[in-house]
Amino acid sequence: DTGVSQDPRHKITKRGQNVTFRCDPISEHNRLYWYRQTLGQGPEFLTYFQNEAQLEKSRLLSDRFSAERPKGSFSTLEIQRTEQGDSAMYLCASSLVTGSQETQYFGPGTRLLVL
Amino acid sequence: AQTVTQSQPEMSVQEAETVTLSCTYDTSESDYYLFWYKQPPSRQMILVIRQEAYKQQNATENRFSVNFQKAAKSFSLKISDSQLGDAAMYFCAYRSAPGTASKLTFGTGTRLQVTL
Repeated sequence: DTGVSQDPRHKITKRGQNVTFRCDPISEHNRLYWYRQTLGQGPEFLTYFQNEAQLEKSRLLSDRFSAERPKGSFSTLEIQRTEQGDSAMYLCASSLVTGSQETQYFGPGTRLLVL
Repeated sequence: AQTVTQSQPEMSVQEAETVTLSCTYDTSESDYYLFWYKQPPSRQMILVIRQEAYKQQNATENRFSVNFQKAAKSFSLKISDSQLGDAAMYFCAYRSAPGTASKLTFGTGTRLQVTL
């Protein structure tokens, strides 16, 4: 069990460029979450998947954001036409839902800086 | 919508002493879960402790324990025998019961400093 991994760990981009982040969950975890964390704040929910189905999206997730989990394993989060306000830490978490028990395990995050 | 409030932006504790971090939340739900997560500097967030709202007994995990007051909607974290490795941001989080939204709602965090 290698834990949740995210790639890249850091990304610097210019305003208007597209960026894509990848999250590899813990093996066999059926749920995968994306959160965004800005400086001095707690993480805010963006979206989550159960297997390959995207079950919920936050209103924070504008139409410039898209997430996929094509085979129910890894997930990608793409931001198109980045804006300076997109600068944040993007966190991925995964969980295995068994009955009523669910604990989310977080990855190290991808820190995005939009210049 | 549920909200989580952590009113202490920063706390400091001496090594080996005890510290309590505060958290209050607002919800109209009767069944839910509460969590404390720890985020060390430049490291990933890890779960410290969890509490099911239907359980009256306060959760404990080694040096970490909670004081869960459901009527007051309060969920504080007590760290006993503080260690240098406890220095981190601590986030309180809320999750609705299974079968409803499973996302976590976080507070703004408390930065804990541990001094010698």
